[in-house]
Amino acid sequence: AQKVTQAQTEISVVEKEDVTLDCVYETRDTTYYLFWYKQPPSGELVFLIRRNSFDEQNEISGRYSWNFQKSTSSFNFTITASQVVDSAVYFCATGTDKLIFGTGTRLQVFP
Amino acid sequence: DAGVTQSPTHLIKTRGQHVTLRCSPISGHKSVSWYQQVLGQGPQFIFQYYEKEERGRGNFPDRFSARQFPNYSSELNVNALLLGDSALYLCASSSPEREGLGGETQYFGPGTRLLVL
Repeated sequence: AQKVTQAQTEISVVEKEDVTLDCVYETRDTTYYLFWYKQPPSGELVFLIRRNSFDEQNEISGRYSWNFQKSTSSFNFTITASQVVDSAVYFCATGTDKLIFGTGTRLQVFP
Repeated sequence: DAGVTQSPTHLIKTRGQHVTLRCSPISGHKSVSWYQQVLGQGPQFIFQYYEKEERGRGNFPDRFSARQFPNYSSELNVNALLLGDSALYLCASSSPEREGLGGETQYFGPGTRLLVL
C-alpha cells in the first residue's frame, strides 16, 4: 500500500526565513511518482512539482527547491526567503494513477 | 486556456437528499478524477475516468457514483447524503497521452463545498 507522511502539522516563520517541509513516502512500486501541491485559503490545489522515481536530481525553481532521496524515502520541499504569499497548506502526494496525499503542513509566514 | 471548472461552488443539502456535482476538464484532457477533502485532512481519491471508462475507484460506499461524458466533462453523484459527506469535493483533470498512463500530473479545480445539515 502507498502512504505519505507529513509529520509537521504546522510551521510558523518570519518573512525571509528559509523553511523546509518534510515528506516521507511508502510504496512497493518500482516506478512511482511524487508530487507537491499548494492549497491557499481559497481551497484550490495548485500543482508545484512532479518527480518520477528514476530521477533523483534535485530541482530548483526560483525560491523553491526539492530534495528527493530514495535511500530515505523522502521528498522534502524548501522555500528560500519565505514571503507572506507562501502562507498555505502544502501537500505531498504519491501515486501511479490515483494520488495518495499526506495530511498536509500548514505554513504561516508572518511579516 | 481555462483551467478545471467546477459547479456549483457551494451547496447546502439535508440528510437523505441527493447531490450532483459537475466538472469540466482542461481543454484536451481526457481523464478526470474526483477527490473528497474533509476539513483538516488531505484529499481522498473517489473515482477516476479516462476516455469515459472508469479507471479507478477509491474506498467509498456505493452511494457515490460518477460518469464521464463524450466531451470529457464529468458528474459526481452522491445519494442518501449523510452528515459525514460534508466536505470539499475536488475535481482534477490530466492528460495521460502527454505524460503516459499512470502518474500523470493532475490539475485541480476550485472545488465544491458541500454542507449536509
